[in-house]
Amino acid sequence: TQLLEQSPQFLSIQEGENLTVYCNSSSVFSSLQWYRQEPGEGPVLLVTVVTGGEVKKLKRLTFQFGDARKDSSLHITAAQPGDTGLYLCAGAGSGAGSYQLTFGKGTKLSVIP
Amino acid sequence: DTGVSQNPRHKITKRGQNVTFRCDPISEHNRLYWYRQTLGQGPEFLTYFQNEAQLEKSRLLSDRFSAERPKGSFSTLEIQRTEQGDSAMYLCASSLRGTGTEAFFGQGTRLTVV
Repeated sequence: TQLLEQSPQFLSIQEGENLTVYCNSSSVFSSLQWYRQEPGEGPVLLVTVVTGGEVKKLKRLTFQFGDARKDSSLHITAAQPGDTGLYLCAGAGSGAGSYQLTFGKGTKLSVIP
Repeated sequence: DTGVSQNPRHKITKRGQNVTFRCDPISEHNRLYWYRQTLGQGPEFLTYFQNEAQLEKSRLLSDRFSAERPKGSFSTLEIQRTEQGDSAMYLCASSLRGTGTEAFFGQGTRLTVV
């Protein structure tokens, strides 16, 4: 069974601060996706990383996939209240069952104005 | 809006009743997924369709649950004899074969069993 652990579980910061959240596993994933979810809504896809060591930037958000494709991080620069939400990472396995996504429990981020 | 659409958004039902949810995927997407999310957890995989064929079901999908995707377009998820433990957000997602597993989610159906 593939498991993804996200840390921290909760994070409350002031507007303008930087932060990093982590997504770790003992399993190798063929790709990893980051989603943001707001209360009562479905997850919204932010980015997909596929290659070990890959770095992708989305405005103030920087996503990195570990060299061994077992872990990932999300760094937010100068956080804003609009960044508030639940950040979920989800991994796709390789081979049979690769169409399934295994989700972590998420990091709940609150950015205080 | 050409995203994934789910109906209803909210459903309150009495224990023992049957409920059915509908999902309309993004039109050109041939893969459709159902996930369930409970409070404080990430979404958990339930089942997957490629076109009209249901190719995989999770152990979470008990025999009270059934999903269909007639004609490979919209999908329905039915829960029979609902239990309080079925209370959750039911999420539908779709993806296009050839783009890996980039899945786009609907807004979900929040089920409350009282």
